[in-house]
Amino acid sequence: DAKTTQPPSMDCAEGRAANLPCNHSTISGNEYVYWYRQIHSQGPQYIIHGLKNNETNEMASLIITEDRKSSTLILPHATLRDTAVYYCIANSGYALNFGKGTSLLVTP
Amino acid sequence: GAVVSQHPSWVICKSGTSVKIECRSLDFQATTMFWYRQFPKQSLMLMATSNEGSKATYEQGVEKDKFLINHASLTLSTLTVTSAHPEDSSFYICSVWGRSMNTEAFFGQGTRLTVV
Repeated sequence: DAKTTQPPSMDCAEGRAANLPCNHSTISGNEYVYWYRQIHSQGPQYIIHGLKNNETNEMASLIITEDRKSSTLILPHATLRDTAVYYCIANSGYALNFGKGTSLLVTP
Repeated sequence: GAVVSQHPSWVICKSGTSVKIECRSLDFQATTMFWYRQFPKQSLMLMATSNEGSKATYEQGVEKDKFLINHASLTLSTLTVTSAHPEDSSFYICSVWGRSMNTEAFFGQGTRLTVV
């Protein structure tokens, strides 16, 4: 899997959009960009994934740059329950390899 | 609803004993399952790949004789921590991929193992 780089931590005010960046400059053509999050003492929760096009679901939006070297996860209206560690992973369909992720703190 | 069920959610055992953790795929048959370990304030580390009907594949540094994996059916994989030591205390998590390449991986809720 291509290496991904994320900021170690971010803060966001409740109700505002949370924009979490991820760099994956060595991503290969067959690797998807996956986003997971982990709330304390729980298993990782799937958020969204994409290959080239931007994606949106009920949880978030994923914006992938045209050269695919970076992406941004957008939580449009962050709530306190969105406080978690967010992992960006480049993967071509085998075991997911987790980096250190971004610890997002949503504040009242 | 849950796609992957892990049992137990937490367990405390004495040093030297063995503990078995179960991972069940509820929605579909899984020929491959993955086992992870997570120490406090660290990320998930892949331990091994569990293959139905064949031997598991272990990541470098993971002792196969200590962490026994059995994948006897398409819906169940078990991880047995043998002769547990306090340093084996960790959060163990299993994972299953979806039905096709362009799907997501599903994770169990994790098992918190404490060895005393």
